[in-house]
Amino acid sequence: EAGVTQFPSHSVIEKGQTVTLRCDPISGHDNLYWYRRVMGKEIKFLLHFVKESKQDESGMPNNRFLAERTGGTYSTLKVQPAELEDSGVYFCASSPLDGGAGNTIYFGEGSWLTVV
Amino acid sequence: KQEVTQIPAALSVPEGENLVLNCSFTDSAIYNLQWFRQDPGKGLTSLLLIQSSQREQTSGRLNASLDKSSGRSTLYIAASQPGDSATYLCAVPISSGSARQLTFGSGTQLTVLP
Repeated sequence: EAGVTQFPSHSVIEKGQTVTLRCDPISGHDNLYWYRRVMGKEIKFLLHFVKESKQDESGMPNNRFLAERTGGTYSTLKVQPAELEDSGVYFCASSPLDGGAGNTIYFGEGSWLTVV
Repeated sequence: KQEVTQIPAALSVPEGENLVLNCSFTDSAIYNLQWFRQDPGKGLTSLLLIQSSQREQTSGRLNASLDKSSGRSTLYIAASQPGDSATYLCAVPISSGSARQLTFGSGTQLTVLP
């Protein structure tokens, strides 16, 4: 079974450009999350989808970031326009929908973004 | 606001040693606690998940304990091997219904010397 896959794995863009990151969760996982780790900081939550709906987007840093999950399958995270401080690694994660607290959250390999 | 602290930040041990990594959290109202491993340039691999009602979980040479009342968890690695070298992260969900927003510690970077 395929894990969480992310594309691109690495991206270098100039300040002011746009980048779109894609995440394919594990098949059947209704929960999808975006996290990021910027240099020297802890991994921080960005947002959480349940199927196609945004459940919690309290971690989105500003309106330059737009996440979508049309159809409740894969998700995209667009940064427009990118700034230097957006450099870091963007992780996607997924987990099954459940009513309890027992499910492991599975992470992808990350998309490493460098803004120059 | 939940805060997660991991001590030490870095640890270097000779192969074969048993070691303990520490994680503390400020809000004891957690659903569970998860330990992850991250290899350089790679994603996060889940190692162990401990439910709030459990006190420990074991997987191979790894044993994780949880003491909610004191806000602490430990990850015990037995008979360490060079392949165990990685950054180890603990994370707890912010308890809010079915939300799974995780708060991470900054990690412990482990080096096992051959």
